[in-house]
Amino acid sequence: SQQGEEDPQALSIQEGENATMNCSYKTSINNLQWYRQNSGRGLVHLILIRSNEREKHSGRLRVTLDTSKKSSSLLITASRAADTASYFCATVSSQYGNKLVFGAGTILRVKS
Amino acid sequence: DTEVTQTPKHLVMGMTNKKSLKCEQHMGHRAMYWYKQKAKKPPELMFVYSYEKLSINESVPSRFSPECPNSSLLNLHLHALQPEDSALYLCASSRQDSSNQPQHFGDGTRLSIL
Repeated sequence: SQQGEEDPQALSIQEGENATMNCSYKTSINNLQWYRQNSGRGLVHLILIRSNEREKHSGRLRVTLDTSKKSSSLLITASRAADTASYFCATVSSQYGNKLVFGAGTILRVKS
Repeated sequence: DTEVTQTPKHLVMGMTNKKSLKCEQHMGHRAMYWYKQKAKKPPELMFVYSYEKLSINESVPSRFSPECPNSSLLNLHLHALQPEDSALYLCASSRQDSSNQPQHFGDGTRLSIL
């Protein structure tokens, strides 16, 4: 069964606005990763956050992790049209054999 | 440009055909993966190779046969596929088969079964 659920399923914003995507999961995890997938392309790794970390930054990306709530969020600040893509959270858990298990994803559209 | 190269980009085949998907990486990664992705769905793991040995088979039907000839190459041999096998097949690699390693993906092969 799917480990991660993402919210919202789709998000449409104007260029320059911030975009927040949320991910919830069911079991304890080793780490949580965020990936981006542009239409017709493969996935691109964005950020890996370990279970003992609470927040990580990479450029315009900010990821938080709340293990007590079993949830994570990805914030993209000052969005650009090029950020239009699907965003997936993926968890790694010993209960799932330490394999990467993807959530359903959020489709982000940034309008220029 | 991705550092994981997959060929072909598109493949159309009949249910009786035999074809192969190829994946290549030159990053020195020792773990390689095959995923299947249906439209508007997340990728689903099929196989994992670690140091050229098959370490995970996610109960994939035998009509899919993986092969890892060397540390840079990963093949997926296809035979007698069904229409429901039409999907995007993604290859990925990571430095090791470790849960703390990010995976690098190719752009996939879009497979259509007639």
